[in-house]
Amino acid sequence: GAGVSQTPSNKVTEKGKYVELRCDPISGHTALYWYRQSLGQGPEFLIYFQGTGAADDSGLPNDRFFAVRPEGSVSTLKIQRTERGDSAVYLCASSLFQNTEAFFGQGTRLTVV
Amino acid sequence: GENVEQHPSTLSVQEGDSAVIKCTYSDSASNYFPWYKQELGKRPQLIIDIRSNVGEKKDQRIAVTLNKTAKHFSLHITETQPEDSAVYFCALNFNKFYFGSGTKLNVKP
Repeated sequence: GAGVSQTPSNKVTEKGKYVELRCDPISGHTALYWYRQSLGQGPEFLIYFQGTGAADDSGLPNDRFFAVRPEGSVSTLKIQRTERGDSAVYLCASSLFQNTEAFFGQGTRLTVV
Repeated sequence: GENVEQHPSTLSVQEGDSAVIKCTYSDSASNYFPWYKQELGKRPQLIIDIRSNVGEKKDQRIAVTLNKTAKHFSLHITETQPEDSAVYFCALNFNKFYFGSGTKLNVKP
């Protein structure tokens, strides 16, 4: 595709429910990043994939958060037992290699009510 | 992990004036320093970047300077225009991207 695509663009869910957020990176990009951004804050690192493997998942807040990238392209961020504090914009970015320009998707705005 | 400090948090300038945003960092192993512009409700977009073997880079009205010894890098915008109004984030890459907390730039016409 032309750029990084994230779906859905908006997601409202009830507290305690499970959600999946999808990221389609730019074709051929080996590195994929998930960030979380709250209003007025900079992007907060969650997890970074190099190919199919999670190279660094140190930013995942707790074990309710999990992400996969099974074929080295599309990635899914999964959040179990959502809490109101999980409400934020979840940004995905991809780059050709680990230390090159990162392109961001438009984000998924998650609201937990 | 890496720590990136960004200042100021807000910056208001008159159209045509210059704007300077500064970032400092703690880990000297970083070698890629991008700057992102984020308009309200939009995705962050790269406006300029610099690598550690270069001290300064310029692209029209935007320039970035890097001082690896002092561990700081700065964004300079000259002849500011109202459409420059946005939030700007500095970042660096050391295995993953670390972002500053952002500077909200307001250019008054």
